[in-house]
Amino acid sequence: TQLLEQSPQFLSIQEGENLTVYCNSSSVFSSLQWYRQEPGEGPVLLVTVVTGGEVKKLKRLTFQFGDARKDSSLHITAAQPGDTGLYLCAGGRNTGNQFYFGTGTSLTVIP
Amino acid sequence: DAGVIQSPRHEVTEMGQEVTLRCKPISGHNSLFWYRQTMMRGLELLIYFNNNVPIDDSGMPEDRFSAKMPNASFSTLKIQPSEPRDSAVYFCASRQGFSGNTIYFGEGSWLTVV
Repeated sequence: TQLLEQSPQFLSIQEGENLTVYCNSSSVFSSLQWYRQEPGEGPVLLVTVVTGGEVKKLKRLTFQFGDARKDSSLHITAAQPGDTGLYLCAGGRNTGNQFYFGTGTSLTVIP
Repeated sequence: DAGVIQSPRHEVTEMGQEVTLRCKPISGHNSLFWYRQTMMRGLELLIYFNNNVPIDDSGMPEDRFSAKMPNASFSTLKIQPSEPRDSAVYFCASRQGFSGNTIYFGEGSWLTVV
């Protein structure tokens, strides 16, 4: 059983469209991170959010941490082919020093 | 600066053979993680070390899997004997400090057991 469920699992959109990826859990996390993984590579960190309700923007990407620190969303505005990849959320806890990865969302942006 | 270095990048082996995957974490990082990634199960944490000590190995599938970290700059993940269902990409990652800090991943070791 995955601790963090992401939706949708697969997403294929046209260049220029907007999209939102969701990361949900029944557990509370002290921090949540989003990673992007390209084929043949390891995941690369995009952002870390630590405060409930926190919103961070990274160019066309907007990340939000839920008020209860159980969920998060990633919104991409005007998607570009370079955004194609696997997006992974990961939740961390202060106790145990562990990090749990979500099920992943595979995004394809069609030119 | 060099990132997390893994070897081999690709390995094809026959069922029953021993497989050893190697990892060199980023210098100065005190936590090291081994993950396994498959289409079916996503990215799974197998084991992590803090200051070279295994902290949680509850993700290790079974006794065929073992991991060691003899010093701060080297870790191995061994599968003996290997089985076709072990085919996956195995990632090593390292981090400085505690949860919330960036985890840096290696490029992965692509294992195929036939």
